[in-house]
Amino acid sequence: DGGITQSPKYLFRKEGQNVTLSCEQNLNHDAMYWYRQDPGQGLRLIYYSQIVNDFQKGDIAEGYSVSREKKESFPLTVTSAQKNPTAFYLCASSRQGLYGWDEQYFGPGTRLTVT
Amino acid sequence: SQQGEEDPQALSIQEGENATMNCSYKTSINNLQWYRQNSGRGLVHLILIRSNEREKHSGRLRVTLDTSKKSSSLLITASRAADTASYFCATAYNNAGNMLTFGGGTRLMVKP
Repeated sequence: DGGITQSPKYLFRKEGQNVTLSCEQNLNHDAMYWYRQDPGQGLRLIYYSQIVNDFQKGDIAEGYSVSREKKESFPLTVTSAQKNPTAFYLCASSRQGLYGWDEQYFGPGTRLTVT
Repeated sequence: SQQGEEDPQALSIQEGENATMNCSYKTSINNLQWYRQNSGRGLVHLILIRSNEREKHSGRLRVTLDTSKKSSSLLITASRAADTASYFCATAYNNAGNMLTFGGGTRLMVKP
């Protein structure tokens, strides 16, 4: 059963704590992405990675960190430096097709609440 | 970043009617994609249309792209209550590699 998994579905943390969100894919996709979605809004790109051991900042990388040690995994750490971390976090992956990068496949998301 | 804009922000129709959503963007694109999101879930890819294409169909979905006007539209024909969701356009800008820029979405409600 191929796809992208994110865990946990809901996560609660106290302010000042770092928290790591998991994202795993078994689609053999090269590229992986992390997005943040606030209520009633579209998605904003946090970080993306096109290849193992390499990643680039997206539009809102401040207060977040990532690693890409394995092709299948792209964990996101929300640090205490992120001023407003409560949001819905979505992970995605894609492969390179004949004409460029293909569509992105999304995981079910993790809803993070920080109090 | 340069976000696309969807219009309308919300749309409410009766089952069986057609739903049209529009998306505008700002600079040259490699392709434009439409996604669907049910409440509290991940996004599901619907259609990808490349910059050299003008129209694409998939089942009850029809997407058009007008690069001269920098706009795209998604038409859902004979809508069903199960089509109730948010619909997002995402643009792959030239020189942006595999990065997508998402619009704010259109929230569609189809009443039975």
